[in-house]
Amino acid sequence: DAKTTQPPSMDCAEGRAANLPCNHSTISGNEYVYWYRQIHSQGPQYIIHGLKNNETNEMASLIITEDRKSSTLILPHATLRDTAVYYCIVRAQTSSGTYKYIFGTGTRLKVLA
Amino acid sequence: DGGITQSPKYLFRKEGQNVTLSCEQNLNHDAMYWYRQDPGQGLRLIYYSQIVNDFQKGDIAEGYSVSREKKESFPLTVTSAQKNPTAFYLCASSTISYNEQFFGPGTRLTVL
Repeated sequence: DAKTTQPPSMDCAEGRAANLPCNHSTISGNEYVYWYRQIHSQGPQYIIHGLKNNETNEMASLIITEDRKSSTLILPHATLRDTAVYYCIVRAQTSSGTYKYIFGTGTRLKVLA
Repeated sequence: DGGITQSPKYLFRKEGQNVTLSCEQNLNHDAMYWYRQDPGQGLRLIYYSQIVNDFQKGDIAEGYSVSREKKESFPLTVTSAQKNPTAFYLCASSTISYNEQFFGPGTRLTVL
């Protein structure tokens, strides 16, 4: 199973871009990278996912390196409400053909006023 | 409103008792999942189900049991065999194409 490595914590000034890195050096060719965030004691919230190409939606951008061994989640203009734990996740296929998420320990992002 | 509901939000039980956590979804999703989260840790997969009357063990299934008698419901039983049951339990669901998972609000179980 591919695993992810993220820095345990980061700070970002309000209004600035937050760049959250993730290493997934053992990822397989057909495994997607997902990003979720979790605000204290709530269920995780989906942000974005990708396979090879960079992706953008209304919440964030996802930059995946060409070798797919790492990625960066970019929150373009961080607000105080973006303070949360951010999880970089690999979606791996099981032996039965289904899929499962492999969570790491995440990055605790603190947006500072 | 479409979504996933988990009840109750907080649950207390005495050691040695079985307890069942509820998870219901009205998103018409085929796949459902149970995760456990310990303080400062990521989520770990307990059980998952792709279809009614079928489910598979995840990474930490020992001491847990599930059923999937209806598409909308995927209850989790924490048995007395689970050594450290105190944790935050999260239920999720997704379409069969396995894109994003939608998570419920979670149940915090404390065993006294």
